[in-house]
Amino acid sequence: GESVGLHLPTLSVQEGDNSIINCAYSNSASDYFIWYKQESGKGPQFIIDIRSNMDKRQGQRVTVLLNKTVKHLSLQIAATQPGDSAVYFCAESGTELKTSYDKVIFGPGTSLSVIP
Amino acid sequence: GAVVSQHPSRVICKSGTSVKIECRSLDFQATTMFWYRQFPKQSLMLMATSNEGSKATYEQGVEKDKFLINHASLTLSTLTVTSAHPEDSSFYICSARDPGKGYEQYFGPGTRLTVT
Repeated sequence: GESVGLHLPTLSVQEGDNSIINCAYSNSASDYFIWYKQESGKGPQFIIDIRSNMDKRQGQRVTVLLNKTVKHLSLQIAATQPGDSAVYFCAESGTELKTSYDKVIFGPGTSLSVIP
Repeated sequence: GAVVSQHPSRVICKSGTSVKIECRSLDFQATTMFWYRQFPKQSLMLMATSNEGSKATYEQGVEKDKFLINHASLTLSTLTVTSAHPEDSSFYICSARDPGKGYEQYFGPGTRLTVT
């Protein structure tokens, strides 16, 4: 099966600071990107997504930036809180999602630790 | 929102036995579900795409005779790990997309399999 990465990088931030988590994706044909949050022992939780025809999208306290030129994705979390501590995964999907058969491939993940 | 459940949440089995994991979409119908495997401190690896009423599509390197997938109804997919070995111990996660709600994919809570 497809998989990317064997080790989780770690990011530690002070509570109240902004966090930036980066991700490099591999498939230049991907046109839909998603950020997920995963807490220990649980399934991934959707945070925010972005289509390839956009370069920025904002949600509540989160912003996703997409740079297709260098195949880079980032997640910005404003005013990071202890409850944000988790592993964050970027994921990519390869088509226009016109059918339900499109699969989502996960990146390696980053462990975010918030220091109170 | 759309809810995906998995059963059991945790299972321990002896080497050589088979174990079945269920994935259910509780409030929507899913023609396609996805099965992932996740080892500790690693990313989610897509194993296969489960298609209602037809054969599953396996990712490269995933043994279809070892990981049997059945998608008998629009709300249920099962993954059976046959002749389990300790190296099959992992966190198994399923997901599904609600066709009526766009591109977002909903993940189950995962099943922790331990093979002794």
